[in-house]
Amino acid sequence: GENVEQHPSTLSVQEGDSAVIKCTYSDSASNYFPWYKQELGKRPQLIIDIRSNVGEKKDQRIAVTLNKTAKHFSLHITETQPEDSAVYFCAASRRTSYDKVIFGPGTSLSVIP
Amino acid sequence: NAGVTQTPKFRVLKTGQSMTLLCAQDMNHEYMYWYRQDPGMGLRLIHYSVGEGTTAKGEVPDGYNVSRLKKQNFLLGLESAAPSQTSVYFCASSLQGNQPQHFGDGTRLSIL
Repeated sequence: GENVEQHPSTLSVQEGDSAVIKCTYSDSASNYFPWYKQELGKRPQLIIDIRSNVGEKKDQRIAVTLNKTAKHFSLHITETQPEDSAVYFCAASRRTSYDKVIFGPGTSLSVIP
Repeated sequence: NAGVTQTPKFRVLKTGQSMTLLCAQDMNHEYMYWYRQDPGMGLRLIHYSVGEGTTAKGEVPDGYNVSRLKKQNFLLGLESAAPSQTSVYFCASSLQGNQPQHFGDGTRLSIL
């Protein structure tokens, strides 16, 4: 089955710097890669997603890149702000008759003012 | 439009007791999921459903049962609670499998 690894597990950056979180997946048939942000004590919320027919997607300060050959995808956050501090989860899934999403273990991002 | 609603929000059980967690969504989503979240373990899929009347096992199904009798509801049952089932439980729904998931606020369950 699908396995999703995520690195680093913790990340501290200075406010204004960039943060990069990388995920690798094992199932070459995976074609949907969402990223979720979970603030302390809150529910996970989707922040951006990418499908396998696209190499990069941006939304303001957030971008995701996908390398299908290497089976990895990354989240890039530019000009980080204290409110970006949270746990970030990547995930992967494929379109089969019984689809399910497999989550990575998460990255705890701290933005230091 | 409430999205995904989980009840209860908190519960304390004694070992061996049973209970049911309720998840309701009002977005007409086909897929629904139950996850547990433990410190440092991320989100682990317990069971999921791809439509009314269907259920399937996830990564950690042992000790849990589910039912999806109505499209909008997905119930998670613990027949005989164990301390290892102390966790935060999240329900989620999505339009289809390869679509964004919408999560509820979670249920914090403690088993003594």
